[in-house]
Amino acid sequence: QKEVEQNSGPLSVPEGAIASLNCTYSDRGSQSFFWYRQYSGKSPELIMFIYSNGDKEDGRFTAQLNKASQYVSLLIRDSQPSDSATYLCAVNSDYKLSFGAGTTVTVRA
Amino acid sequence: NAGVTQTPKFQVLKTGQSMTLQCAQDMNHNSMYWYRQDPGMGLRLIYYSASEGTTDKGEVPNGYNVSRLNKREFSLRLESAAPSQTSVYFCASSIGQGNEQYFGPGTRLTVT
Repeated sequence: QKEVEQNSGPLSVPEGAIASLNCTYSDRGSQSFFWYRQYSGKSPELIMFIYSNGDKEDGRFTAQLNKASQYVSLLIRDSQPSDSATYLCAVNSDYKLSFGAGTTVTVRA
Repeated sequence: NAGVTQTPKFQVLKTGQSMTLQCAQDMNHNSMYWYRQDPGMGLRLIYYSASEGTTDKGEVPNGYNVSRLNKREFSLRLESAAPSQTSVYFCASSIGQGNEQYFGPGTRLTVT
């Protein structure tokens, strides 16, 4: 099974700050990468996906990918209390997604 | 457009009982998946169906069987439930393998 590692947190940030989430993966051949948000008791919800090295921005979210370092990150700008959730990193290896255990983010009002 | 739906939402079984979890998607997706989620373990793939007519084992297939009934529906069966199968089960679908997956609301299963 391909490994996907995330810091479990909790990551506590003040409202309006930037939350930075990190993810590393073991399969150097991985081609696509996904970030999901999961509220307590709910199902994972897709936030972003990224295929190429560099940054990809969507609203307050920025995904960053560095395939050489096998590292993908998610930045949440202007964090809001509604961003409090667990964020799952997923990596496509052999056409199947491997998920990290998630990072729990708490935004303090 | 309901996306991915799952039934039931909650289920309690006794050890040894059997049940089938149902999943349907209305997005015309080719690929469908069953995951289980346990505290601290993340999502683990049980079985998947790359396309209608095919099914394959994932990371944790033991104790489960699946049926891809048609393009829309993918069911998961527990033949003889065990307490170790207490978990939250999610169905997901994607347009193709390796593409972004969309999840159903989940089924919370407790086996006593």
